[in-house]
Amino acid sequence: GENVEQHPSTLSVQEGDSAVIKCTYSDSASNYFPWYKQELGKRPQLIIDIRSNVGEKKDQRIAVTLNKTAKHFSLHITETQPEDSAVYFCAASKGYNTDKLIFGTGTRLQVFP
Amino acid sequence: ETGVTQTPRHLVMGMTNKKSLKCEQHLGHNAMYWYKQSAKKPLELMFVYNFKEQTENNSVPSRFSPECPNSSHLFLHLHTLQPEDSALYLCASSQEGSGHSPLHFGNGTRLTVT
Repeated sequence: GENVEQHPSTLSVQEGDSAVIKCTYSDSASNYFPWYKQELGKRPQLIIDIRSNVGEKKDQRIAVTLNKTAKHFSLHITETQPEDSAVYFCAASKGYNTDKLIFGTGTRLQVFP
Repeated sequence: ETGVTQTPRHLVMGMTNKKSLKCEQHLGHNAMYWYKQSAKKPLELMFVYNFKEQTENNSVPSRFSPECPNSSHLFLHLHTLQPEDSALYLCASSQEGSGHSPLHFGNGTRLTVT
């Protein structure tokens, strides 16, 4: 079955710097790659997602890139702010339903002022 | 946001107790999920209900028993749990049938088994 690996497990950056989190997946049939953000004591929330028919997607300071050949995808956060501090989870699935999502182990991002 | 609500927020139970976790979604979604979140582990999918029918049961021990009486409510009945079952249990919902749909999570129930 699908396996998703996520790196790094922790990431500390200075406010204003960029942060990059990388994930690799094993199943070449995977076609949907969402990213969830979980602030301390709160629920995970979808922040951005990408489908296999595109290589990059941007939403303000957040972007996701996908390399299908290498089977990896990355989250890029530019101009980081203290409120970006959270745990970020990548996930991958195939088919057309969300019930097959496989999550990575998460990255704890700390942004220092 | 009150789209998916879970009760209780915290639960402490002994290994011989029986308790239930409750989840309710107000988003009109047709699929509901139970996930287990443990430290330094990926979110683990436990059960999926699609149109009230259970479609996934990822080798979850029988001491966890789900119930979905309608598309808005989901329960997780617990009995004779083990200390390693201590974790955050997250409920989620989504709208299936027209492509990938975001999961909307509740705030979770922090379960401690003593």
